[in-house]
Amino acid sequence: EVLLVESGGGLVKPGGSLRLSCTISGFNFNDFSLNWVRQAPGKGLEWVSSISTSTTYKYYADSVKGRFTISRDSAKNSVYLQMHSLTVEDTAVYYCARDHPDGVVPDTIPSFFDYWGQGTLVTVSS
Amino acid sequence: DIQVTQSPSSLSASVGDRITITCRTSQAIFNYLAWYQQKSGKVPKVLIYAASTLQSGVPSRFSGSGSETDFTLTISSLQPEDVATYYCQTYNRVPFFGGGTKVEIK
Repeated sequence: EVLLVESGGGLVKPGGSLRLSCTISGFNFNDFSLNWVRQAPGKGLEWVSSISTSTTYKYYADSVKGRFTISRDSAKNSVYLQMHSLTVEDTAVYYCARDHPDGVVPDTIPSFFDYWGQGTLVTVSS
Repeated sequence: DIQVTQSPSSLSASVGDRITITCRTSQAIFNYLAWYQQKSGKVPKVLIYAASTLQSGVPSRFSGSGSETDFTLTISSLQPEDVATYYCQTYNRVPFFGGGTKVEIK
């Protein structure tokens, strides 16, 4: 069974930092690009960041560029999202999602997402 | 950045009705478009990719069409379990989601 399990969410003050983790199982970690997608309360989906298998390609939404950093650790089957300078607009459920290989350029440009974790809630509030 | 516009933002239809949701992009994206269903409190689920390819396990009442800038998701016979919000997503470059369409039963 494919599983993606996020952790690390919580309450943080504006300007603070947080590191999210996503641990995967049920598929070969080294074969898939991985993504973070977020959803603010009552709002739509927003893609946040993507990382290729080799970590050569990393992409960020304009809204988080320069503040968030994505990384992955094959020894731990995990992908991470380090978030700095958080604002109230970053309040959301953050999902980890697996890239489907049938994209434009597999493992280079992010594709669509075939498996998602259950999400972890990040609340930025004073 | 590409703009992705979904319409309508919500709709109410009867069981058995045929419904159509539209997704329009500000740039041509060939067929690099996916559709998701998100039920209340649940994780999004991919229904269709490459504009018209049905993901494994998705009922055949769901279909997609279109190319370049205009795409549609059709449910041929709406069922109670189809109550959800539907999103389109481009993937020709960095991904963008549409704003969503909330589907309810009359």
